[in-house]
Amino acid sequence: GQQVMQIPQYQHVQEGEDFTTYCNSSTTLSNIQWYKQRPGGHPVFLIQLVKSGEVKKQKRLTFQFGEAKKNSSLHITATQTTDVGTYFCAGPGGATNKLIFGTGTLLAVQP
Amino acid sequence: EAQVTQNPRYLITVTGKKLTVTCSQNMNHEYMSWYRQDPGLGLRQIYYSMNVEVTDKGDVPEGYKVSRKEKRNFPLILESPSPNQTSLYFCASSSRLPGTGGWGTEAFFGQGTRLTVV
Repeated sequence: GQQVMQIPQYQHVQEGEDFTTYCNSSTTLSNIQWYKQRPGGHPVFLIQLVKSGEVKKQKRLTFQFGEAKKNSSLHITATQTTDVGTYFCAGPGGATNKLIFGTGTLLAVQP
Repeated sequence: EAQVTQNPRYLITVTGKKLTVTCSQNMNHEYMSWYRQDPGLGLRQIYYSMNVEVTDKGDVPEGYKVSRKEKRNFPLILESPSPNQTSLYFCASSSRLPGTGGWGTEAFFGQGTRLTVV
């Protein structure tokens, strides 16, 4: 079945360093979403990308959708302690109505 | 306030004792789903529902049942829980189906239910 993998699984950075997580799907996605889950919390929607090669920014966060619509990335510039959490990508499951989440990247930020 | 409400938040039960986790949304969303979250495995979809009386299996449906008799409610039923169903469960809803793209497809999650089966 369709798989969505994320790397790295875990990353620890010093505050102020940049951070990137990569999302790779085994199949082409019509769109991709990104979510953030704070420790002890629930996933919260961040953004959706629809077009091939699309790039969107939210303050220090930059989201990119690959040209082939099989991969995506989230880049955080100058991390802050408030960025701590697990970041998930998610995409629709092909011909089904499933929403398939990636394995997630846990970001730890040391002050 | 727009929200997805799950109950209970925490539950410890014994193997084989039937339980139900409730989920209710007040946003008139058509699409609802259940996920389980386990370390290293991310969020895996258990079941989803596209509307009242329309449900379908996600990627890990074994050992679970659901029903959608009303648009706002989507309970998760474990008929005979086993220890491998110990997990963190999330209910989620969205206005439109995930594959349609565009507005309305973002998922709103409940606070989560931490289930332990001993």
